[in-house]
Amino acid sequence: DTEVTQTPKHLVMGMTNKKSLKCEQHMGHRAMYWYKQKAKKPPELMFVYSYEKLSINESVPSRFSPECPNSSLLNLHLHALQPEDSALYLCASSQEATSGAYEQYFGPGTRLTVT
Amino acid sequence: GQNIDQPTEMTATEGAIVQINCTYQTSGFNGLFWYQQHAGEAPTFLSYNVLDGLEEKGRFSSFLSRSKGYSYLLLKELQMKDSASYLCAVKDNYGQNFVFGPGTRLSVLP
Repeated sequence: DTEVTQTPKHLVMGMTNKKSLKCEQHMGHRAMYWYKQKAKKPPELMFVYSYEKLSINESVPSRFSPECPNSSLLNLHLHALQPEDSALYLCASSQEATSGAYEQYFGPGTRLTVT
Repeated sequence: GQNIDQPTEMTATEGAIVQINCTYQTSGFNGLFWYQQHAGEAPTFLSYNVLDGLEEKGRFSSFLSRSKGYSYLLLKELQMKDSASYLCAVKDNYGQNFVFGPGTRLSVLP
């Protein structure tokens, strides 16, 4: 199984809503990532979890709150978002975060629209 | 700082060969990855280089020169389905941070 799954596929939310994005992998990977991707732009790293601990937070606003309940799951909690936060949110995993030639496997993404 | 550069767009003909270049200046280097991304889909892994030289995988090859901060992805026998964005990504010195280049949109014409 080389699949990373993400739910929901699409999400429309108002600026006062609270919602969560979910990501799951069953490849035994110990590193998981959240990326934000705007149209015709490359993915921008938001967070890295290594062995269920947050190891990188790329100066992301606090309205985005990541959570790693266990080694297979990664959540992104959203609260009081702005319209400019509308984007494709990609989850990825890799065998290890630091060493080795470990490529990332990406999920299909959640397309988020903030109204 | 981190700076990765790729051409924005390229066009090639079905059956031809195309070379997509990537130059990088990053705080440390722990490997370079190439990904393919079709519109509206997630990136998929194509190749990895950490040592200088050429890595070949079927119709795709990737080359790295660490001293020049340069890589290229070579696509042979182009097919229409190869029309996609090609992203170069560098793993930095700490090994945890993947920095993506801007991507090259390749259009394959009949």
